[in-house]
Amino acid sequence: KAGVTQTPRYLIKTRGQQVTLSCSPISGHRSVSWYQQTPGQGLQFLFEYFSETQRNKGNFPGRFSGRQFSNSRSEMNVSTLELGDSALYLCASSPGIDTQYFGPGTRLTVL
Amino acid sequence: KNEVEQSPQNLTAQEGEFITINCSYSVGISALHWLQQHPGGGIVSLFMLSSGKKKHGRLIATINIQEKHSSLHITASHPRDSAVYICAAHTDKLIFGTGTRLQVFP
Repeated sequence: KAGVTQTPRYLIKTRGQQVTLSCSPISGHRSVSWYQQTPGQGLQFLFEYFSETQRNKGNFPGRFSGRQFSNSRSEMNVSTLELGDSALYLCASSPGIDTQYFGPGTRLTVL
Repeated sequence: KNEVEQSPQNLTAQEGEFITINCSYSVGISALHWLQQHPGGGIVSLFMLSSGKKKHGRLIATINIQEKHSSLHITASHPRDSAVYICAAHTDKLIFGTGTRLQVFP
């Protein structure tokens, strides 16, 4: 089976812009979770989707949003980018409440 | 105080040494995850455990639910084990420790 794929792998944006990141889970996996990793805060949970429904959400402002499509692919969107949004964004898929399989991440730089 | 604490933050070892990384948590969990992150960012899930002990090759993970403590052991460490090891408490979401950076020298 192909692993979790994320696109794009690298992205440079400027403050105030918005960005959309994409995640394709392992075939058959219905749960997709998103995480932010920064040197200062480490890994933090953003949100989880299961069968197109947001199942859980972390403590991030409303500028961070996501969605999941019927084929389980997921997107996350960050609006009005701030310098502090520069991070590695990781998604992970799992069949349900189970081991998570991580994608390679999207490295976002906000200038 | 963080809900998930790891120690040590940094660890240096000679090839062949026995390694132990500790993780303590203060929240109620359904499971505890151990993850490995290599330079470049890719994360691999090593273990998910809710009780007792699991072993995979040279890696052993244990958890004591009563004491809210888990350990990851690496036997006969090798330079390819050099990575950041992260524990994560599984509540209704994953809460991560700050990671332990391990360097194993030949």
